[in-house]
Amino acid sequence: GAGVSQTPSNKVTEKGKYVELRCDPISGHTALYWYRQSLGQGPEFLIYFQGTGAADDSGLPNDRFFAVRPEGSVSTLKIQRTERGDSAVYLCASSLMGGGQETQYFGPGTRLLVL
Amino acid sequence: KQEVTQIPAALSVPEGENLVLNCSFTDSAIYNLQWFRQDPGKGLTSLLLIQSSQREQTSGRLNASLDKSSGRSTLYIAASQPGDSATYLCAADQTGANNLFFGTGTRLTVIP
Repeated sequence: GAGVSQTPSNKVTEKGKYVELRCDPISGHTALYWYRQSLGQGPEFLIYFQGTGAADDSGLPNDRFFAVRPEGSVSTLKIQRTERGDSAVYLCASSLMGGGQETQYFGPGTRLLVL
Repeated sequence: KQEVTQIPAALSVPEGENLVLNCSFTDSAIYNLQWFRQDPGKGLTSLLLIQSSQREQTSGRLNASLDKSSGRSTLYIAASQPGDSATYLCAADQTGANNLFFGTGTRLTVIP
C-alpha cells in the first residue's frame, strides 16, 4: 500500500511569505506527527494529531506556525511570515493509533528554503 | 526533557568490516528505542524497534541492543556494504510523550 506522502518535495520562498506544506498519511492511521529537521540535526517534534484534533502542539516554535487536519486524514502545516531560520526539512509521520509504543512511518519530507 | 546523543557523528569503514553505532539517552522511562536509516535527501526508514522489556532485536545483518538502566543502545552492522552508507538515527519513545526524541545521527560511509 501507499506510504506517507508529502508535497511539495521542495519549496523555495522569500522571507516574509506564507507557505503551506501538505501531508497524506497512510490510510487508516489516526495519528499524525510533524517534525522539523535542520541541517546536521535529528528531527524535532512540532505537533501531534489524534484524529482531527491537535493533541499536542508543544513543539511549535511560535505562533507563526499552525497545522490543521480537518477531516482526520490529510494535514497541512502553515507557516506565516517565513524567516530564514525556518529553512529545514519538514517531515510528516503517521501511526495506527498514536499514544506511543507504535512504529511511526515517515514521509520523504518537504525541503523548505527561505531566501 | 529526554536528551539523545549519538557517537560518533561520522564513521568511515572499508567494505566488509563489522561496526557499532552508539546511542545514549538520559531518561530511562521509555516504551521503546528505534533505529532509523536516512539516505541523502530522503525520509526516514525504520530499521529496528526494541521494546523496553527486550534486550535486543535482529534483522538480517543488523542487531540492535538496549540497556535501559544505563541509557544505552547500540546498532551492530555485520559485513558492511557500500549500500549501507547513510545516516543512522536512534530515537527514544518516551513514556507519557506523544513524539519520538531523536539523536543527531551517525553518518556512515562504507568504502568499496
